[in-house]
Amino acid sequence: ETGVTQTPRHLVMGMTNKKSLKCEQHLGHNAMYWYKQSAKKPLELMFVYSLEERVENNSVPSRFSPECPNSSHLFLHLHTLQPEDSALYLCASRTRGDQPQHFGDGTRLSIL
Amino acid sequence: AQSVTQLDSHVSVSEGTPVLLRCNYSSSYSPSLFWYVQHPNKGLQLLLKYTSAATLVKGINGFEAELKKSETSFHLTKPSAHMSDAAEYFCVVSDRGRNAGNMLTFGGGTRLMVKP
Repeated sequence: ETGVTQTPRHLVMGMTNKKSLKCEQHLGHNAMYWYKQSAKKPLELMFVYSLEERVENNSVPSRFSPECPNSSHLFLHLHTLQPEDSALYLCASRTRGDQPQHFGDGTRLSIL
Repeated sequence: AQSVTQLDSHVSVSEGTPVLLRCNYSSSYSPSLFWYVQHPNKGLQLLLKYTSAATLVKGINGFEAELKKSETSFHLTKPSAHMSDAAEYFCVVSDRGRNAGNMLTFGGGTRLMVKP
């Protein structure tokens, strides 16, 4: 148990659906992250929220939209996804300084 | 700029024999270094971390890593492999002293297989 909870654990959706992934941490951390993990590819950082300010990653398509309403919650809103978006989406959080990130167990997303 | 290279994408050992997973890094700053493990359908779990203290770092489950600055290496070792050690391992570097929004750089991962 890392203290970072992601829901749902599995999600199957069509390309025209809209869904959201949720991440929650009560570790007192003030930075939260979304990562994409695809088979046979390195872990890709998608978004960073530090003190509720978003750090952009310009390579992420606009069909992914993050939201961080407070320091404990992070969402990833999905719409009109493509088959290549099927992956494990991991959330992580961290406190300031050189401390490590704590990861959730991820949401396994499958796009039909 | 920083980068991480895990020299082996797959490592296979027999149960009870030593484990060596190799990692080399480069960083413009004095970095923090981590090893994470990922079991199937799970997130990444922190094994150990080097921040600024001793260069030999002990982690969970009998793993340890030694930072060798002259070689820019941070190899992960364990004296005796257990079947439950079979997983994917990631070496990670982070620039120290930056703010919480600073990004980590992940190696490509090493899949450890343990034979009975």
